[in-house]
Amino acid sequence: DIQMTQSPSFLSASVGDRVTINCKASQNINKYLNWYQQKLGEAPKRLIYNTNNLQTGIPSRFSGSGSGTDYTLTISSLQPEDFATYFCLQHNSFPLTFGSGTKLEIK
Amino acid sequence: EVQLVESGGGLVQPGRSMKLSCAASGFTFSNYGMAWVRQAPKKGLEWVAYISYDGGSTYYRDPVKGRFTISRDNAKSTLYLQMDSLRSEDTATYYCTTTYAHWFAYWGQGTLVTVSS
Repeated sequence: DIQMTQSPSFLSASVGDRVTINCKASQNINKYLNWYQQKLGEAPKRLIYNTNNLQTGIPSRFSGSGSGTDYTLTISSLQPEDFATYFCLQHNSFPLTFGSGTKLEIK
Repeated sequence: EVQLVESGGGLVQPGRSMKLSCAASGFTFSNYGMAWVRQAPKKGLEWVAYISYDGGSTYYRDPVKGRFTISRDNAKSTLYLQMDSLRSEDTATYYCTTTYAHWFAYWGQGTLVTVSS
């Protein structure tokens, strides 16, 4: 099984900050990596698919990068509505696995 | 507009069964794989099961193998999850999602399953 190690678990930042969240896979996942945002009581919302493709309707301050085993979500300038929990998902092979999540809080 | 609407959750005793449904619309259901993902209270996301577009292939996470069965009715555009021998650790919100539009773009609102005596 592919393990997804997501870091950090918690992140405290201010509006306007640039932040990065990382996911490391235990083996090559061939860029089959999605990023999700989840707010309390809501279903996950996909931000990025296949490493670096921005979901329609998602602001361009969100971007993704990576290859092989290492992947990054970057938010270039935090907005108040970005404070939420973020997850990565590898869909390269079964069992599909999510990262453990990053809770982004207001400093 | 893509819509996924789950139903069938609720309170169930340990060892009993429950069947979840997910009604899909807004895309050609019979062309895409479907999956169930769950989230225990205040925990992360966990993939549960997947079924191919025609039902010919299914995959499960290890702890639910032999207890859960994923199925679909393409004529009704509906996905199912039959859950048997339920355990307390199966308590979670269950979401259905689809491989339409590059895997897991669309999610239902979720249905809460609580396993407790």
